[in-house]
Amino acid sequence: AQTVTQSQPEMSVQEAETVTLSCTYDTSENNYYLFWYKQPPSRQMILVIRQEAYKQQNATENRFSVNFQKAAKSFSLKISDSQLGDTAMYFCAFHGQNFVFGPGTRLSVLP
Amino acid sequence: AAGVIQSPRHLIKEKRETATLKCYPIPRHDTVYWYQQGPGQDPQFLISFYEKMQSDKGSIPDRFSAQQFSDYHSELNMSSLELGDSALYFCASSRGGVDFSYNSPLHFGNGTRLTVT
Repeated sequence: AQTVTQSQPEMSVQEAETVTLSCTYDTSENNYYLFWYKQPPSRQMILVIRQEAYKQQNATENRFSVNFQKAAKSFSLKISDSQLGDTAMYFCAFHGQNFVFGPGTRLSVLP
Repeated sequence: AAGVIQSPRHLIKEKRETATLKCYPIPRHDTVYWYQQGPGQDPQFLISFYEKMQSDKGSIPDRFSAQQFSDYHSELNMSSLELGDSALYFCASSRGGVDFSYNSPLHFGNGTRLTVT
């Protein structure tokens, strides 16, 4: 079965600084998708970025980028120029035959 | 370690039928959340419970109802099913309520895939 691990339960970063959230996963599948979701206190799950496993190029979305290393099964999220509104829970998720969420990382952006 | 258990894993229903999805949280977790994820869509928050009381309500249709029982398991009841209800339904659990500041990590179940024909 697939598993997703986020080894950092909590992180903090100063406003305008850069922070990297880690995610590793385990699967025997070759074709899959990886996601990072942001969950603010409203409990909604907001898609931050997605990566197709067959694409070698790392996905980027404005201040958000990923470091996808397929061989190492690693999918870290880098947030540049952190803003107070980035404070939230961040979930890494794997989508292959099953959809699996990681346990989440609570990110606090400090003024 | 025990995880969040959802049953059934797959469910096929016809339009206008009813469906009941069950969620068994991790032991000692007192907070349960329900999400609906349609094909190609982000998970949508439906509803949450803390200590058997509804704590937050999201985009849950009036045709759906949910409750949390004394053993903290939760059930999502769906009536008058529509084709658009076909989705993956996730349950997640945590401990300590829905206050963002104090919430323990959220643990997701594997989901129930509902297909309405």
